[in-house]
Amino acid sequence: QITLKESGPTLVKPTQTLTLTCTFSGFSLSTTGVTVGWIRQPPGKALEWLGFILWGGDTRYSPSLKSSLTITRDTSKNQVILTMTNMDPVDTATYYCARNYNWNFDYWGQGTLVTVSS
Amino acid sequence: QSALTQPPSVSGSPGQSVTISCTGTSSDVGSYNHVSWYQQPPGTAPKVMIYEVNIRPSGVPDRFSGSKSGNTASLTISGLQAEDEADYYCSSYTTSRTWVFGGGTKLTVV
Repeated sequence: QITLKESGPTLVKPTQTLTLTCTFSGFSLSTTGVTVGWIRQPPGKALEWLGFILWGGDTRYSPSLKSSLTITRDTSKNQVILTMTNMDPVDTATYYCARNYNWNFDYWGQGTLVTVSS
Repeated sequence: QSALTQPPSVSGSPGQSVTISCTGTSSDVGSYNHVSWYQQPPGTAPKVMIYEVNIRPSGVPDRFSGSKSGNTASLTISGLQAEDEADYYCSSYTTSRTWVFGGGTKLTVV
């Protein structure tokens, strides 16, 4: 059974750094073709792809957010970590992590709502 | 990269068919068959309904089908049911080796 679950703060202040952790089970991020990515969704708005980490450890980021995002992994813990700097109220959103395999996001976490407010 | 273009809303009656379009560019939809569609009922995480343009994952009803022509992909839902009411998003791989989502379409079953 494949599961993913996001964890981290629900409230951050403007200019602070957000760190979210995706803990997954039921698959290996070392398997060729597997990636784990982050997608966010502001309240009432569309999904936005943020970035992902590939099975070999390479990363790809959304061009519009590349300067503020870092995605890393801890293979011993089956975790993928998203770090986003200089948070702004417009970054208030539900943040999802999802596995991508066979060119689709086939398993998603339940999402975690992060509010940016002073 | 800009979001893929979807109609904000579509509607249909039970039993009818509806089609949702997803228009991109030659840098995404037009370059690959790596187009997928996601269903998102309110308050839930998205669920993949179609991937690689027209492949249905196990468990997805065959009422859902996908196609692509040029820079535009489409999702067709036939035999509409009340449970199909949800937001639908398309997604495509891009020539920059990133992913992009559409703006989403709200399907109402009237």
